[in-house]
Amino acid sequence: ETGVTQTPRHLVMGMTNKKSLKCEQHLGHNAMYWYKQSAKKPLELMFVYSLEERVENNSVPSRFSPECPNSSHLFLHLHTLQPEDSALYLCASSQEIGRGHTEAFFGQGTRLTVV
Amino acid sequence: KQEVTQIPAALSVPEGENLVLNCSFTDSAIYNLQWFRQDPGKGLTSLLLIQSSQREQTSGRLNASLDKSSGRSTLYIAASQPGDSATYLCAVADSWGKFQFGAGTQVVVTP
Repeated sequence: ETGVTQTPRHLVMGMTNKKSLKCEQHLGHNAMYWYKQSAKKPLELMFVYSLEERVENNSVPSRFSPECPNSSHLFLHLHTLQPEDSALYLCASSQEIGRGHTEAFFGQGTRLTVV
Repeated sequence: KQEVTQIPAALSVPEGENLVLNCSFTDSAIYNLQWFRQDPGKGLTSLLLIQSSQREQTSGRLNASLDKSSGRSTLYIAASQPGDSATYLCAVADSWGKFQFGAGTQVVVTP
């Protein structure tokens, strides 16, 4: 258990559905991240939040909409996804942005399948 | 743009052998490098974090070295066990603490 919890662990959704992924950390960290891991590809950084403020949007399509209501919670709202969006979505946290010496902790991921 | 490469992509060794996993990066201006383990379908577990000012870090059977000037890190796992079978990922962090990942090395340790 890393202190970063993601729900649900598995999600199957149709292309017209709307769903949300949730991430929660109990480490007292100020920075949270969403990563996408597709088969046979390196992890891709999607979004970075620092103290509830988005500081990075890595050219992610608008059908992915992040939300960070407080420093402990991070959501990824999904709508009108495509089959190629099927992947493992990983949430991570670190103590803070702007200090590269901090360690990143990851959740167990949500396995998303778009049908 | 930082690029991280891990060689080999896959590795199979008999139990008891030492494992050597390589990671190289193109921009030496990193703040730290972190090694992770990932089991199939699971999240990432942090193994070792090496700060840019350090040359190596050790934890149990694991030892990681860092040569920032040449853009290389090596993860050594001594006396491998079947439970070490997993994918090992390295990631380098920039000054903002954002990580760039390699594609990973898939390790199989056979009994």
